[in-house]
Amino acid sequence: QKEVEQNSGPLSVPEGAIASLNCTYSDRGSQSFFWYRQYSGKSPELIMSIYSNGDKEDGRFTAQLNKASQYVSLLIRDSQPSDSATYLCAVKGGYGGSQGNLIFGKGTKLSVKP
Amino acid sequence: EAGVTQFPSHSVIEKGQTVTLRCDPISGHDNLYWYRRVMGKEIKFLLHFVKESKQDESGMPNNRFLAERTGGTYSTLKVQPAELEDSGVYFCASSQIAGGPDTQYFGPGTRLTVL
Repeated sequence: QKEVEQNSGPLSVPEGAIASLNCTYSDRGSQSFFWYRQYSGKSPELIMSIYSNGDKEDGRFTAQLNKASQYVSLLIRDSQPSDSATYLCAVKGGYGGSQGNLIFGKGTKLSVKP
Repeated sequence: EAGVTQFPSHSVIEKGQTVTLRCDPISGHDNLYWYRRVMGKEIKFLLHFVKESKQDESGMPNNRFLAERTGGTYSTLKVQPAELEDSGVYFCASSQIAGGPDTQYFGPGTRLTVL
């Protein structure tokens, strides 16, 4: 069974701090990795994708991937109260089976305190 | 450009009744996915259409669930008869390309409550 694990939180950080969200996955053949943000009662919204080992930066967000350790993380710099949401880690594209569907973790709830 | 839309937003039905959920993908997206989130669990894949064909339906829980995508445009997901454990939020997503780095865009979901 392919799994994606995340700490459920809540993770609480003060405004302006760095929030660090972590995710591990079980399928070593996974090829694509995504971070979605979901506000309560809303649809998941893609904020970052990463496909190669290393860091990928986009504004205040940095995704980090380590395929050897089967680990992906998301750093949010200068956290704002509007970043308060549930962050979902999703993985796609293991060898064999469908390469289209996403496998999600349960999500980490982030709370940024003013 | 309109996003993925789903109808209805909420549905409350009794055990044994039938419910049909609808998803309209982003125009031009050949790939359409159904996912479900049961309370306390992660979002789980149900099935994947490429145009009107079912590419992968390995996540469908049982034969009470029937998905269609006639004409390769909108899709429906019918649950018949509904059971208590079918309660949850049903998401639809669409993308242009199935494999690799293609982004899946999610709809707002349909919250289904079976009493």
